[in-house]
Amino acid sequence: GAVVSQHPSRVICKSGTSVKIECRSLDFQATTMFWYRQFPKQSLMLMATSNEGSKATYEQGVEKDKFLINHASLTLSTLTVTSAHPEDSSFYICSARVQYGYTFGSGTRLTVV
Amino acid sequence: GNSVTQMEGPVTLSEEAFLTINCTYTATGYPSLFWYVQYPGEGLQLLLKATKADDKGSNKGFEATYRKETTSFHLEKGSVQVSDSAVYFCALSETGNNRKLIWGLGTSLAVNP
Repeated sequence: GAVVSQHPSRVICKSGTSVKIECRSLDFQATTMFWYRQFPKQSLMLMATSNEGSKATYEQGVEKDKFLINHASLTLSTLTVTSAHPEDSSFYICSARVQYGYTFGSGTRLTVV
Repeated sequence: GNSVTQMEGPVTLSEEAFLTINCTYTATGYPSLFWYVQYPGEGLQLLLKATKADDKGSNKGFEATYRKETTSFHLEKGSVQVSDSAVYFCALSETGNNRKLIWGLGTSLAVNP
């Protein structure tokens, strides 16, 4: 089946640094990638939708300059959290639309100290 | 706008008990409906789905029927196991070009031996 590989699974970074999260579609072409954030014991919050070769569409309230999304190829989308702060600590998940619905990456646990 | 309302957890059951997790939705058009499961420490996995009214999705002993008259998609399992302990998310897929997912808040299920 369609698999999205997300890396890293866990990352700890210092406040003020930037962190890049990668999602690769292994056996299909991901035209559209969704990026979610999940707070503890809460649902997924859609941050942005990216289409290959064009600018991402951000949801209301999501800072596009802080959460940089790049979808330069049909198999790779990246989310860069710039100048990370402790409040950015969260679980980030990517998702691609496939024929039967959606497939998800395994998520990245970001801890900013 | 479209929304998903899911019963609050946590739900705690004994092994072999009957499970129901309620999910209702509001949507324009004819959305597809999904149940996703998130096991501890893992990413999201599609559990089952239904794409039109009266469809029944089923997988691993879980079932849910797309009820347009009651705008519901309740998840049921006749006999739960300890290994079913996880967080369950109800979601709907909007119609249109991007067809993003709208999520319920998730219901945590703990099954005791």
